[in-house]
Amino acid sequence: DVKVTQSSRYLVKRTGEKVFLECVQDMDHENMFWYRQDPGLGLRLIYFSYDVKMKEKGDIPEGYSVSREKKERFSLILESASTNQTSMYLCASTSMQGVGNTIYFGEGSWLTVV
Amino acid sequence: AQSVTQLGSHVSVSEGALVLLRCNYSSSVPPYLFWYVQYPNQGLQLLLKYTSAATLVKGINGFEAEFKKSETSFHLTKPSAHMRDAAEYFCAVSASGYSTLTFGKGTMLLVSP
Repeated sequence: DVKVTQSSRYLVKRTGEKVFLECVQDMDHENMFWYRQDPGLGLRLIYFSYDVKMKEKGDIPEGYSVSREKKERFSLILESASTNQTSMYLCASTSMQGVGNTIYFGEGSWLTVV
Repeated sequence: AQSVTQLGSHVSVSEGALVLLRCNYSSSVPPYLFWYVQYPNQGLQLLLKYTSAATLVKGINGFEAEFKKSETSFHLTKPSAHMRDAAEYFCAVSASGYSTLTFGKGTMLLVSP
């Protein structure tokens, strides 16, 4: 089974802190994604990556950055956390081989910024 | 560009009743369509997907969906609801099989005894 692991399930951080959310997948997937989920807004794409050291902005990249130094790991970085970044963050991955591939999600990281 | 509209943020059914969750999409290219389910405090799990093969797609847990190009719809159905089906359901579209997913805002399914 594909496993997408988000290292932190629940975090509480202070305004202005630098926050790292880590994600690891074990299926050698080329594509990895970070989404943010908020009630009534569904999931919105923050950043995605098609390969190591490559990144593309999604729909809401402001206030975030990402790092992909290894194929299996994709990190989301909040340079200076703000209260409006309190949310659930979901990491996902999928293969580029073939079409119609399932995108697999991690369990989510609940971030509260106080 | 793609977009997804899910009609109804909440749907309530009785146990044993038909479940119908509505999804309409917009896409400039032939779409790939997905339904995901999210149980409380968990990530998203794939229920089913349409990848341009059969228009009626069967998924896990007794769910199915029908792709109707003329109506730009991909509604999710289940003949008989169970209490364990209570969860949030998301419809999503992508322009190709491995590109980014665009999600609807979700529909919370409530199942009463």
